[in-house]
Amino acid sequence: DTGVSQDPRHKITKRGQNVTFRCDPISEHNRLYWYRQTLGQGPEFLTYFQNEAQLEKSRLLSDRFSAERPKGSFSTLEIQRTEQGDSAMYLCASSRTSDRSEAFFGQGTRLTVV
Amino acid sequence: GESVGLHLPTLSVQEGDNSIINCAYSNSASDYFIWYKQESGKGPQFIIDIRSNMDKRQGQRVTVLLNKTVKHLSLQIAATQPGDSAVYFCAENEAAGNKLTFGGGTRVLVKP
Repeated sequence: DTGVSQDPRHKITKRGQNVTFRCDPISEHNRLYWYRQTLGQGPEFLTYFQNEAQLEKSRLLSDRFSAERPKGSFSTLEIQRTEQGDSAMYLCASSRTSDRSEAFFGQGTRLTVV
Repeated sequence: GESVGLHLPTLSVQEGDNSIINCAYSNSASDYFIWYKQESGKGPQFIIDIRSNMDKRQGQRVTVLLNKTVKHLSLQIAATQPGDSAVYFCAENEAAGNKLTFGGGTRVLVKP
């Protein structure tokens, strides 16, 4: 499968715990994006990378959230001290460097904080 | 902030009929628009896109129309099929970086 891959697909965690999600983009894609989606809403932009550089972060990305893409390939999104409000689908997408190029999404990681 | 929204939250359509999904956007600086389809438990799937220098673009069974004067975007699906049942999102992109701003989605239900 050459699409965007996310792991895990589902995560249930207790409030206060830390969680980490992984995204493997399409191999020739330089750009990688993280979005968050709650039920019935469209995805909301969190952050994006071009290669290993994190170029933009949304105001939604509080200091409990951190994303990395150390080698310009896969990326991780960590949430520290999870809160119930963090429960959502976390989506990763990738695209080529050229602007207006199609972004391909992964299946997402559904996080439930109990 | 700028946002993209949809007029109708749910659209019920008879199989074989045409569907029209509407979207209003507010950011006049947006120059690239995309429609995504999202099935339950899956990530958004690209359907079709259009740049601001165009007012119409056609794909396979889908047509996107852009009216920049009233900041309106629509997706037309011809001969709607059961497999078209999903939530449809419009999204816009203002400038470099491909960061997308999504609307709230329209659920399309295809009746047999």
